Amino acid sequence: DQQVKQNSPSLSVQEGRISILNCDYTNSMFDYFLWYKKYPAEGPTFLISISSIKDKNEDGRFTVFLNKSAKHLSLHIVPSQPGDSAVYFCAASASNQFYFGTGTSLTVIP
Amino acid sequence: DAGVIQSPRHEVTEMGQEVTLRCKPISGHDYLFWYRQTMMRGLELLIYFNNNVPIDDSGMPEDRFSAKMPNASFSTLKIQPSEPRDSAVYFCASSRASLNYGYTFGSGTRLTVV
Repeated sequence: DQQVKQNSPSLSVQEGRISILNCDYTNSMFDYFLWYKKYPAEGPTFLISISSIKDKNEDGRFTVFLNKSAKHLSLHIVPSQPGDSAVYFCAASASNQFYFGTGTSLTVIP
Repeated sequence: DAGVIQSPRHEVTEMGQEVTLRCKPISGHDYLFWYRQTMMRGLELLIYFNNNVPIDDSGMPEDRFSAKMPNASFSTLKIQPSEPRDSAVYFCASSRASLNYGYTFGSGTRLTVV
């Protein structure tokens, strides 16, 4: 059973606009969350993280929001750029083990 | 730092054959993970090691799958016999005990079983 879910398999956004990628989880014991970015033929690479004691973490154009009561995580990319086109995985951690979602393929249209 | 190195990058094999995937983690990382990526299930954890010892192999789909880590710098994932439904991209990842930056993934092995 998927403990981390990304219900949107794909998303298309115009260059310069905001991209919002969503993630839901079921396990209230998760205490650390990350987003990974994956280009074709490459392994996932770490993008941004957030601890469960925070509700927002920002790094340049990327911001992750955590809503613990809703068990919901989101990644905002502003402004979106064509180079952001990739598959984005969210992951949640408990006891040194990460559980990944199925990924959302983002396409940023020039 | 060469990162996590996986070999081969691509493997095509016939059903029933044995397949061995290899991984060299980053030096100094004491956790090693094997993941499988499929369209339906995304990234699934198969097994992970801590200090070369298998900790959780509950994700290994069947007895046809086995993994070893004979030393801190090498791990293998073996499928015997292979089946077409095993076709997927297999990733190896490693990390230090502190997961503040998550895992470092290798580039993956794309396995096709025909």
